[in-house]
Amino acid sequence: DGGITQSPKYLFRKEGQNVTLSCEQNLNHDAMYWYRQDPGQGLRLIYYSQIVNDFQKGDIAEGYSVSREKKESFPLTVTSAQKNPTAFYLCATNPGGAGFTDTQYFGPGTRLTVL
Amino acid sequence: SQQGEEDPQALSIQEGENATMNCSYKTSINNLQWYRQNSGRGLVHLILIRSNEREKHSGRLRVTLDTSKKSSSLLITASRAADTASYFCATVGLTGGGNKLTFGTGTQLKVEL
Repeated sequence: DGGITQSPKYLFRKEGQNVTLSCEQNLNHDAMYWYRQDPGQGLRLIYYSQIVNDFQKGDIAEGYSVSREKKESFPLTVTSAQKNPTAFYLCATNPGGAGFTDTQYFGPGTRLTVL
Repeated sequence: SQQGEEDPQALSIQEGENATMNCSYKTSINNLQWYRQNSGRGLVHLILIRSNEREKHSGRLRVTLDTSKKSSSLLITASRAADTASYFCATVGLTGGGNKLTFGTGTQLKVEL
């Protein structure tokens, strides 16, 4: 998991509430990503950011929002508009430059459960 | 959408045996990567093979890539109990929407003592 921390490890939320997942890195990487993983499935890209103050939607951005105010941090907010938010959320980084073509480094993940 | 389909979905072998898992993808790629995920944890990068490469080795891992068939295989030789994990292929495409990393559905490998 290297220099990427995600908190909390487990998160429980009531329906209708927004919740923010933290991702912090000390690798000095430019690019950061958020993925969602459902049981028995691969990862799907929610949002990504290649530089501070800039980010783009991935394949499943609806119901999520992000910010990238600092190079080290890329928080993900799961809003009440996300219809099925229960999942395992993974943050990843990449040195940048070549962007997505390089190896990605993953954090330990946050498991979100909506009650 | 998911680019890769992996086969088999699950594989159970004895320690010391070889494990082979396959990945098929749909569109042209820049490179293909394999990752490992231990249960409930993040992913760990194993190996990257570029579209102009046919085979690559790293320790007990051997990856092949056949771009004409749009497929790749990962071979783990002399498997160990510690190899028990899920293995995912991920592709980086050539065109449209940026060079996004698109994951397959994964193969669950269990190595028994």
